[in-house]
Amino acid sequence: DIQTTQSPSSLSASVGDRVTFTCRASQSISNYINWYQQKPGKAPKVLIYAASSLQSGVPSRFSGSGSGTDFTLTISSLQPEDSATYYCQQSYTISYTFGQGTKLEIK
Amino acid sequence: EVQLVESGGGLVQPGGSLRLSCAASGLSFSTKWMHWVRQAPGKGLVWVSRVKTDGTSASYADSVKGRFTISRDIAKNTLYLQMNSLGAEDTAVYYCVTDPDSSGYSHFDYWGQGTLVTVSS
Repeated sequence: DIQTTQSPSSLSASVGDRVTFTCRASQSISNYINWYQQKPGKAPKVLIYAASSLQSGVPSRFSGSGSGTDFTLTISSLQPEDSATYYCQQSYTISYTFGQGTKLEIK
Repeated sequence: EVQLVESGGGLVQPGGSLRLSCAASGLSFSTKWMHWVRQAPGKGLVWVSRVKTDGTSASYADSVKGRFTISRDIAKNTLYLQMNSLGAEDTAVYYCVTDPDSSGYSHFDYWGQGTLVTVSS
């Protein structure tokens, strides 16, 4: 099975900061990576699919990049409502493996 | 507006069975691949199963293969997950999700609110 490893496991940043999350796949998955945001007690919400495609309705401050094994999700200017846990997910194989998540705290 | 409403969760004893349902509305149900994703309390997301648009093909995570069965009723716009031989490790919130492009860049665009399954004696 393909493993997806996220780093860091948590981070703290201030409003207006540029924030980057990293996801690494255990083997090449082309651009078959998705990113989700989950707030406490809520269902996840897709932000980015196919590594860099912005889901409809998602603010443009979110962007994704990468190919092969290394991927990033970037928030260009952090907002208070971005406090959440962020997950990457590979869709290259049917195991649809999620990363363990990165918890983002607003300072 | 797309709505996915799960039901059927609850407390069940180890070794028991439960059937989850997911009623879909506001979308063309028969054209969407559907999945179940679960999340144990305080833990991350884990894909469980998926079913093809017409219900003729299904896939499962190794951890549930042989115990869980996914199905769908196109006429009722409803997705199901029959869960047998439940163990403590199956305790989780179960989400029903839609996939707009399972044959291409699969991703989960709509999620239900989740239903909690607790396996305990």
